[in-house]
This record gives sequence, C-alpha cells and structure tokens, in this order.
Amino acid sequence: NAGVMQNPRHLVRRRGQEARLRCSPMKGHSHVYWYRQLPEEGLKFMVYLQKENIIDESGMPKERFSAEFPKEGPSILRIQQVVRGDSAAYFCASSPPVRYEQYFGPGTRLTVT
Amino acid sequence: EDQVTQSPEALRLQEGESSSLNCSYTVSGLRGLFWYRQDPGKGPEFLFTLYSAGEEKEKERLKATLTKKESFLHITAPKPEDSATYLCAVKESSGDKLTFGTGTRLAVRP
Repeated sequence: NAGVMQNPRHLVRRRGQEARLRCSPMKGHSHVYWYRQLPEEGLKFMVYLQKENIIDESGMPKERFSAEFPKEGPSILRIQQVVRGDSAAYFCASSPPVRYEQYFGPGTRLTVT
Repeated sequence: EDQVTQSPEALRLQEGESSSLNCSYTVSGLRGLFWYRQDPGKGPEFLFTLYSAGEEKEKERLKATLTKKESFLHITAPKPEDSATYLCAVKESSGDKLTFGTGTRLAVRP
C-alpha cells in the first residue's frame, strides 16, 4: 500500500524559471492538499483540491502559483517565474472521503538560485 | 483566525525520562486536533486524531490528551528513536485545512 508520492524530491531552479511539483495521493484518496514549510517556520496551508476542482485556495499566493488535480494523473503545483523567497519544502497530503486525518508525502525541496 | 502554539520549542531528555509536550489552540469550532511526528528531511507522519475534550489516544510510549483549550503529548520512558519534531495541528468546523504549530524539537539522549 504505497503512501503519498511526490516528485521530484529535490528541485533546483534559477530565478525566473518555472517549477512543477507533482503529487500522487494514496490509493483510494480523492482529496489533495498542498502545504509549504519555510526554514524555521511551521507548515502553511496553500490549497485543497478534489478531482478537477479547487475547493479552497485561500493560502495560495495570488500571483505565479497555481494548482490542479486532473481527472487522470497526479496533482500539480506550478510556480512561475520563481524567486529566491520561493525556496522551501513543499508537502502534499491526501485524505480519503469522510476522514479528517491527512497523510503526507516526503516533500519536494525547492531551491531557487 | 486559528492559532496553534506549541511549547517548549525544544526539549532534551535523558533516555527513560518521561515528559509532556503542550499544544494550546484557539479555533472557532474544533473539528479535530492532530499530532504528527516529523524527522529531518521527511514529511510529517500521522500519529493521532482527537475530536473532543476528555478524549485520549495511546500508541506505544506516546499518549495524547485533549481539553477545551489545549492538548498534551505525554512521552513515557522515551528512547533515542523518539527524537524528532512533534507537530500539532487543528481543523476547524468550517474548513478542511490544517493549521499547524511550529513544533517541539525533542532530543532523547542515550
């Protein structure tokens, strides 16, 4: 029973490039969440998606960030024109319907040079 | 706005020395309080969910309790492998996101 999968595990981008982070939820889970963890800070909610729908994007920066969870394939968090302040660990979590606990993936560590 | 405060920020224990971690929260309608363990370079690992005041959950050397304003994670006779950061999070009744505290870094010396 594979857990939440994220790739890549490490990603280096130069300022101005695009970063694409992928997340495959646990089998049977239809809810996906993205969180960001900055150095020395706690995990911060970004966005909550179900298949083909964004349910809550209240934690997502208004510009340069977008997320999707298509009918087929993984969820994608996309960051356009990255800046140094985007360097962080990005975690994806998933949960099954009608359950509250979220299960986290190993994270993608983004470094912007 | 939901707030979660964890204390202490860091805790060093001798192997076998029991202690407790605190999580204080302010939320408009608690739907669940969650404890996670996070090892360096890894994602949070789910430990417990508590739903209502008075509830307790146990797993090996860990025991989580909940009141109307705070939760405690009690660690009994810890071992070096219990060293990690322990995170507390809440989910309020009107949303689905988790609001996390900044965690307690626990180090257990042999």
